[in-house]
Amino acid sequence: GAGVSQTPSNKVTEKGKYVELRCDPISGHTALYWYRQSLGQGPEFLIYFQGTGAADDSGLPNDRFFAVRPEGSVSTLKIQRTERGDSAVYLCASSRLQMGNTGELFFGEGSRLTVL
Amino acid sequence: KQEVTQIPAALSVPEGENLVLNCSFTDSAIYNLQWFRQDPGKGLTSLLLIQSSQREQTSGRLNASLDKSSGRSTLYIAASQPGDSATYLCAVRPGDSSYKLIFGSGTRLLVRP
Repeated sequence: GAGVSQTPSNKVTEKGKYVELRCDPISGHTALYWYRQSLGQGPEFLIYFQGTGAADDSGLPNDRFFAVRPEGSVSTLKIQRTERGDSAVYLCASSRLQMGNTGELFFGEGSRLTVL
Repeated sequence: KQEVTQIPAALSVPEGENLVLNCSFTDSAIYNLQWFRQDPGKGLTSLLLIQSSQREQTSGRLNASLDKSSGRSTLYIAASQPGDSATYLCAVRPGDSSYKLIFGSGTRLLVRP
């Protein structure tokens, strides 16, 4: 597609439930990133994929969070046993990382997660 | 640890005014710096990207400068319009081959008609 696509745009769930958030990056972009943004704050890094593998998952807050990108394109962020503190906007971004590229990131519209 | 600060947190100006948004970072060893715009409830739109070897970038009414040695970047908006109202975020990519961006908290801009 023309831009980074994220679904759902809004998700309301109850504490303790399992949630999946999907990201479809720009076609041809090998790098994919997940960020989390709380109200009034800048986005915080969660995880970075280069192709199918998670090259850096140092931003995942705990083992309830997991992300996959099995075919090197679409990625899914999975949150188990959700807590109220997980409520935030989850942003996905992609970029090209070939030689000579600027590494500019392009973001999706985000998935707003509310845990009641 | 790299930290990014944006001042002011909020700014309200009358239409037509030229304005400057500030971004500072604690570690001058950066790969690049990127300015984004975020409208309420929306994702981030990339405005300008400055590589570490560059001093400024321009796009239309926007001009971003970078002074790595002092750890500062400014975003200059000329002849502001109500449509410029949004939150402006700056983000640095550290120079240690890390691919993660470190964001500031943003400046919330309101341009009054």
